[in-house]
Amino acid sequence: ILNVEQSPQSLHVQEGDSTNFTCSFPSSNFYALHWYRWETAKSPEALFVMTLNGDEKKKGRISATLNTKEGYSYLYIKGSQPEDSATYLCASNSGGGADGLTFGKGTHLIIQP
Amino acid sequence: GAVVSQHPSWVICKSGTSVKIECRSLDFQATTMFWYRQFPKQSLMLMATSNEGSKATYEQGVEKDKFLINHASLTLSTLTVTSAHPEDSSFYICSARGTNTEAFFGQGTRLTVV
Repeated sequence: ILNVEQSPQSLHVQEGDSTNFTCSFPSSNFYALHWYRWETAKSPEALFVMTLNGDEKKKGRISATLNTKEGYSYLYIKGSQPEDSATYLCASNSGGGADGLTFGKGTHLIIQP
Repeated sequence: GAVVSQHPSWVICKSGTSVKIECRSLDFQATTMFWYRQFPKQSLMLMATSNEGSKATYEQGVEKDKFLINHASLTLSTLTVTSAHPEDSSFYICSARGTNTEAFFGQGTRLTVV
């Protein structure tokens, strides 16, 4: 059974500061690691899908890294803005893309003006 | 990204009644649909996976006779919570995936059973 852990559970960051948070996952039978951004009353929005050890992906001010050997991924936000406030979910799946995802509980990020 | 519409966004029902939740892919054909639920302060938990035209595959601990899933077309899957009880109160959310595409989520449904 996969167990995905995210930390911290919640985070308050001053506008303009950079921040990062962690996702850890079992490295055995790894297939892909997903990051989602989830705002209240909206659908989770896919940020990144990463599959290869050492992958680094970037989307604007947000980037992510992946270490499949040790089973962790970091999400970085540079120069936080109020619109970055959301819950960031990490999810892993094994056994190929046909499987559903195993999610962490998320990191709730609040950007303070 | 692609759009997945889930309806209703919230529903309150009486104990013992059944509730149907719809999940539609609006601009792509969803060969696979996933249903998740989330209890307070917990993570999204996969309930079942359905492929169009096939019976759903349920995760361990999820009663298939209680949570009926129908995926009769490439754009629609439904989850029916039968004989709902207060412990079924939860947040239910679907995701849909086409051939060689990532999965896109609906907005979720907050079910309250009174």
